[in-house]
Amino acid sequence: GDSVTQMEGPVTLSEEAFLTINCTYTATGYPSLFWYVQYPGEGLQLLLKATKADDKGSNKGFEATYRKETTSFHLEKGSVQVSDSAVYFCALSSGGTSYGKLTFGQGTILTVHP
Amino acid sequence: NAGVTQTPKFQVLKTGQSMTLQCAQDMNHNSMYWYRQDPGMGLRLIYYSASEGTTDKGEVPNGYNVSRLNKREFSLRLESAAPSQTSVYFCASKGGYPGELFFGEGSRLTVL
Repeated sequence: GDSVTQMEGPVTLSEEAFLTINCTYTATGYPSLFWYVQYPGEGLQLLLKATKADDKGSNKGFEATYRKETTSFHLEKGSVQVSDSAVYFCALSSGGTSYGKLTFGQGTILTVHP
Repeated sequence: NAGVTQTPKFQVLKTGQSMTLQCAQDMNHNSMYWYRQDPGMGLRLIYYSASEGTTDKGEVPNGYNVSRLNKREFSLRLESAAPSQTSVYFCASKGGYPGELFFGEGSRLTVL
């Protein structure tokens, strides 16, 4: 079945540091890939997405590139802010008859200090 | 700008008690979902409803039932709560883009 593996957390950074959160996946066919973010006390929000190989999703300074050859979708940001402190989830959707169901990774807690 | 609304936000139950989590969306979405979130395990799909009148099991359906009351509402029922069902529950609905889910704020359930 489909699965998503994220790097173990938590991740603690100083403001303006470079961020990478690794994500790899196993899926049949050609899934779509997503990063969701969960701020404290809130539900998840879609951060960015990529629907085919070599696509780059980007939003709010975050980027991730769909790498089919390495089955990866790593999240990066060049300069993090305190307000980026949150839990980040990598996810995939197999499409077809999946009816939009998502398979999530375990989540990575990011804490950014001033 | 309500989006997806869940009630209650917090609930404490004793083992064996029953309860229903309510979810409503005002975005005219066809598909709705119930996930549970546990530490270190991400979100796992309990049940989903691809459209009004249909429901299907997800990854972890045991101990739960659902009802798609109409297009707006999708409820999750625990008939006989167990401590293993202590979790944070999220309802979501599917937007227009592939994989774009809109989530409620979550319901934190503790079963003693």
